[in-house]
Amino acid sequence: EVQLVQSGPEVKKPGESLKISCKSSGYSFTSYFIGWVRQMPGKGLEWMGIIYPGDSRIRYSPSFQGQVTISADKSISTVYLQWSSLKASDTAMYYCARRGCSATTCYIDTWGQGTLVTVSS
Amino acid sequence: SFVLTQPPSVSVAPGQTARITCGGNIIGSKSVYWYQQKPGQVPVLVTYYDGDRPSGIPDRFSGSTSGNTATLTISWVEAGDEADYYCQVWDSSTDHLFGGGTKLTVL
Repeated sequence: EVQLVQSGPEVKKPGESLKISCKSSGYSFTSYFIGWVRQMPGKGLEWMGIIYPGDSRIRYSPSFQGQVTISADKSISTVYLQWSSLKASDTAMYYCARRGCSATTCYIDTWGQGTLVTVSS
Repeated sequence: SFVLTQPPSVSVAPGQTARITCGGNIIGSKSVYWYQQKPGQVPVLVTYYDGDRPSGIPDRFSGSTSGNTATLTISWVEAGDEADYYCQVWDSSTDHLFGGGTKLTVL
């Protein structure tokens, strides 16, 4: 069974750094793209960026370029999302998501359970 | 840049048919996917490739596309269908693009 298991909820202060994780199992980790999706309280889904663990190719959505860093550790089948200096506006639920593709199109076929990040002074 | 536009809310009585639209000039050339998200839960794919359904999704859910508008149709709506619904397309230049979401209320 394909599973994405995310790290637990975080409560941080503005200016602090944070790294959350998404551990994959049940498939070849280096063969699928994994992305991150933000959902602010009461709001919709926003695509943040994606990584291909096979060669560490990364692409960020323009809205998130420079705001977060996506990385992967192949040795433990884990993808990360990190911030160097959190803001209150980073308070949100963050989902990792596996991309499945056909010959011509892609969609999200597996979601992590979400990590709630709360940033408050 | 591309934008997918959904109505913020749709209301329907039990047993009736709900139609949720997703408009955008990128839609005509792309496959559209629909996700259901119930409160406090992870999104779930309900239709893909413009209308196919993953296993476990009832055939009351169907997707279609006409021109630049995609529609998720839910027939014989049940109370348990109350949720937020998001359309999504994928493009090699924009990656995954989501609509703003539609809250389905079952009256």
